[in-house]
Amino acid sequence: GQQLNQSPQSMFIQEGEDVSMNCTSSSIFNTWLWYKQDPGEGPVLLIALYKAGELTSNGRLTAQFGITRKDSFLNISASIPSDVGIYFCAGQRLYNNNDMRFGAGTRLTVKP
Amino acid sequence: NAGVMQNPRHLVRRRGQEARLRCSPVKGHSHVYWYRQLPEEGLKFMVYLQKENIIDESGMPKERFSAEFPKEGPSILRIQQVVRGDSAAYFCASSPDRAPSNTGELFFGEGSRLTVL
Repeated sequence: GQQLNQSPQSMFIQEGEDVSMNCTSSSIFNTWLWYKQDPGEGPVLLIALYKAGELTSNGRLTAQFGITRKDSFLNISASIPSDVGIYFCAGQRLYNNNDMRFGAGTRLTVKP
Repeated sequence: NAGVMQNPRHLVRRRGQEARLRCSPVKGHSHVYWYRQLPEEGLKFMVYLQKENIIDESGMPKERFSAEFPKEGPSILRIQQVVRGDSAAYFCASSPDRAPSNTGELFFGEGSRLTVL
């Protein structure tokens, strides 16, 4: 199946720093999504992107759907301790949730 | 105003036993998805169900695993004769009924963590 390569695997940053993570694939996706998973919890949707080139913000989060439709990035500005968690990218080739594929995740640690 | 409810949160089984994981979707959602998450890995799609129907089970092993979503009651993921490799977190998600497509609006439960001794 389609494989999503997410990087970096983990990040250790200082509170207040900006964070950038990305996801690439050899396949084209029609939808890119970013989820966050807190320890012991299920993932929660942060941002959904539906058009190539689309740039979307949600508070301190900004995500873009790559022009080639094979990549996406997520930026977090001015990180705070509660940003700690695992961030997953997900792509949908078809417009169906059962077609969703997840990256392996970026584990973010924020030092106060 | 409950979200997706999964139980048990933690389950320990010995090799060869059966594991049953339950999922109650968000009230009014008729689409249920099961995912498996191994340590240090992302979520792997297993099965997609609507009420009383399995729509896509392409991610579910053909042997020992089964899923159902009856007309009444929660969705059940059943693993028979568990082996150590079945140890993982199993997440259920639901989505609202929205034609013609539903994209990304998955609401996840807190997961059931299965440990096979």
